[in-house]
Amino acid sequence: KQEVTQIPAALSVPEGENLVLNCSFTDSAIYNLQWFRQDPGKGLTSLLLIQSSQREQTSGRLNASLDKSSGRSTLYIAASQPGDSATYLCAVKATDSWGKLQFGAGTQVVVTP
Amino acid sequence: GAVVSQHPSWVICKSGTSVKIECRSLDFQATTMFWYRQFPKQSLMLMATSNEGSKATYEQGVEKDKFLINHASLTLSTLTVTSAHPEDSSFYICSASLALSSYNEQFFGPGTRLTVL
Repeated sequence: KQEVTQIPAALSVPEGENLVLNCSFTDSAIYNLQWFRQDPGKGLTSLLLIQSSQREQTSGRLNASLDKSSGRSTLYIAASQPGDSATYLCAVKATDSWGKLQFGAGTQVVVTP
Repeated sequence: GAVVSQHPSWVICKSGTSVKIECRSLDFQATTMFWYRQFPKQSLMLMATSNEGSKATYEQGVEKDKFLINHASLTLSTLTVTSAHPEDSSFYICSASLALSSYNEQFFGPGTRLTVL
């Protein structure tokens, strides 16, 4: 059974620092991996989606890497801002899951001014 | 594009009553919709997968008679929590998948906060 782990569970950094969020998964037979942002009491906002054949994806200050063989993905957020404060979730879509997503527990990020 | 809405955004009900939550894909047709629940400080747990015109597929441990799912059209799926109890209080989120392939990206709704008194 696929298990998705996110470390750390919480992170606090001063504004301007780069953020590094980690996601690991136990079964490398994935179709893709997706990073989401969730603000308190809100739904999910998709940040980046990496297909299994890709090594990384970039969008603005965000960069996500994927190492399928080692079961790891890292989300980098450059020059963090207070508006980046949120919970970040990663989710994997396994090749035999009929499209279902398996989520990690998330990393709660606080960026202090 | 690819906007998913949910209604209501929050609901408070008395124990024993039933509550219906709607999930709509506003600008695309969603063959497949997914229902998740999220407890405080926890991640999303898939409850069921619903395909238009057919019965929903429930995850292990989810009571299908308690959580009724209907996907009557390509733009609407509903989740009805029957005889709700305080332990059903949670954040319910739906997602919708484009086109026919279940491997396409899922787009998430804003969630519905259910509080059962």
